Amino acid sequence: GQQLNQSPQSMFIQEGEDVSMNCTSSSIFNTWLWYKQDPGEGPVLLIALYKAGELTSNGRLTAQFGTTRKDSFLNISASIPSDVGIYFCAGQLQGGGADGLTFGKGTHLIIQP
Amino acid sequence: GAVVSQHPSRVICKSGTSVKIECRSLDFQATTMFWYRQFPKKSLMLMATSNEGSKATYEQGVEKDKFLINHASLTLSTLTVTSAHPEDSSFYICSAQNEKLFFGSGTQLSVL
Repeated sequence: GQQLNQSPQSMFIQEGEDVSMNCTSSSIFNTWLWYKQDPGEGPVLLIALYKAGELTSNGRLTAQFGTTRKDSFLNISASIPSDVGIYFCAGQLQGGGADGLTFGKGTHLIIQP
Repeated sequence: GAVVSQHPSRVICKSGTSVKIECRSLDFQATTMFWYRQFPKKSLMLMATSNEGSKATYEQGVEKDKFLINHASLTLSTLTVTSAHPEDSSFYICSAQNEKLFFGSGTQLSVL
């Protein structure tokens, strides 16, 4: 099946630093999504990407869909304590809800005081 | 915005019993819902696609007789873990799509 390679696996940063994580795949996805998950909760959508090359921002978050539809990155600027959590990339092969998502293994973001 | 409600949030049961988890789309109709499973510190893995009015589609390696899915209406899908065993202990999450894909808050199942 499809696989998403997400890196880094974990990040230890200081508050105020910028964060960058990425996902790559050998498969082409129609939609690319970035989620954040807090312990014991379901994932919450951060950014959705639909077009190759698309660059989208949501507050301090910026994500881009690679031109080949096989990769994406997520940047977080000026990190704050509430950014702590696990970030997942996810790809959907077909749009319109026809497919479930394939998830990356997650990036665990830890902010040191 | 669209919301997906999942219940219960946490359940503890004895080995051999069955557990039902509900997933509801609160303000939109969902002909398709998805069920995921997540082990501690691991990623979400798609278990099955729940189709309203028809049989669910299971991913490879997921036992359909073990994980019964019923999608009886456009707003409700249920996942029943039958004859649960400790290895079934996990975090189960449903999702449904309107214009965006929304997730329930998850169910932590602990089988003793």
